Amino acid sequence: GAVVSQHPSWVICKSGTSVKIECRSLDFQATTMFWYRQFPKQSLMLMATSNEGSKATYEQGVEKDKFLINHASLTLSTLTVTSAHPEDSSFYICSARPGTSMGEQFFGPGTRLTVL
Amino acid sequence: DQQVKQNSPSLSVQEGRISILNCDYTNSMFDYFLWYKKYPAEGPTFLISISSIKDKNEDGRFTVFLNKSAKHLSLHIVPSQPGDSAVYFCAASGVSDKLIFGTGTRLQVFP
Repeated sequence: GAVVSQHPSWVICKSGTSVKIECRSLDFQATTMFWYRQFPKQSLMLMATSNEGSKATYEQGVEKDKFLINHASLTLSTLTVTSAHPEDSSFYICSARPGTSMGEQFFGPGTRLTVL
Repeated sequence: DQQVKQNSPSLSVQEGRISILNCDYTNSMFDYFLWYKKYPAEGPTFLISISSIKDKNEDGRFTVFLNKSAKHLSLHIVPSQPGDSAVYFCAASGVSDKLIFGTGTRLQVFP
């Protein structure tokens, strides 16, 4: 099946620093990847759609200057949380959709970010 | 505005019996629906999907039913197994690739 990886799986950082999270599709190419955020015991909230070779599309209420997305290739998208604050602590999950799929997205294992 | 709702936050079922998880949506433009299973601190795992042109899709122990007029879908798991214990999310998409997730239902299957 389609496999998506994320790195790192968890990260702890100090307030004010920046953190980069990588999302890779390992056995397929993905022109579109998605970044989600999940707070404890809540649903997954779409943050942005990452398009290879073009700018990301952000959902309403998501600060594009704070959550920088780069879709460098057909198998890699990165999310950089800039000037992180404790309220950015969350579980970040990426997904990718193979070009041949009907619509299902395949998810990475997630990254737990804790900002002290 | 929650476009996809799972009104039951939790469900407890005995092993071997049927588990029925429900999901309601409000946007009539949704045309593709999916169910995902999720363990804590892991990404969701795709289970089964259904297009709006169908009203039923079956894959092994999992069956999804879609009632478009009621804007309702359900996931049936039979027979339920202890390994099915997890949080189940329904999701919907329309003309865009975006998935809108429900709030999740925690299923516990006990022996």
